[in-house]
Amino acid sequence: SQQGEEDPQALSIQEGENATMNCSYKTSINNLQWYRQNSGRGLVHLILIRSNEREKHSGRLRVTLDTSKKSSSLLITASRAADTASYFCATEGDDKIIFGKGTRLHILP
Amino acid sequence: EAQVTQNPRYLITVTGKKLTVTCSQNMNHEYMSWYRQDPGLGLRQIYYSMNVEVTDKGDVPEGYKVSRKEKRNFPLILESPSPNQTSLYFCASSPFRWGTDTQYFGPGTRLTVL
Repeated sequence: SQQGEEDPQALSIQEGENATMNCSYKTSINNLQWYRQNSGRGLVHLILIRSNEREKHSGRLRVTLDTSKKSSSLLITASRAADTASYFCATEGDDKIIFGKGTRLHILP
Repeated sequence: EAQVTQNPRYLITVTGKKLTVTCSQNMNHEYMSWYRQDPGLGLRQIYYSMNVEVTDKGDVPEGYKVSRKEKRNFPLILESPSPNQTSLYFCASSPFRWGTDTQYFGPGTRLTVL
C-alpha cells in the first residue's frame, strides 16, 4: 500500500527561484524523511522530521510537517542547477518505511 | 569511508538462472533493507533485517530471498529470476530501525532479466 504521495510529479523552475514540493500520507507515522536522487544513483538523505516536530531547517532546505493533515512540504530556496534531481518522501510507521513516487525537479538556467 | 556497497552494479541474465546481489556496509548498522525502483512506482521495499538472523518481508517479497548471517552483509537472492524482476535495486542501512535514523543507500544494481 502506497503511503507517501508527492505532489507535483514534476516541477520546472528558473534558477534562483524557490521550489516547493508536497508529500501526503495516510496513516500515523513516527517520522518523515526527504531524500534526493540524481538520475540512476542512490538516494541521499536530506532531512528527517519527527512526528512531534512541525518545522525543520537545513541550509537552503525547509521541511514542514502537519500531522493533522497528514502532509509535509519540502522548500528549497534560491534553487541551483545542482538541485535538479528527483525528491522522495519516506514515511516510517510502526512496521514499515514507505517511499513515495517522487517529484522530478528541473532547474532551468 | 562510511559506505554501503553493492555488487554487481550492472547485470544482464536470463530467466531462471539463479543470481545473488551482494550488499555490505561498514558502519556497524543494525538495520538493512532492499528496495527495487521501477518507473512510476517509486521505491518499494523487498525485505529488511533488524539484526543478524532477523529478516522480514517488505511490500514486494515474492521471488526474492535474503539472509543476514553477519551484521555487515545482506545479500539479495533471486532463485529463479523472471523478466518482471528487471529493475534498479538499492540496498540501504541505518543504525537502528525505530525512532529513526537516516538510511544510507548503496549506488544501485541495474538488473535486466531476459
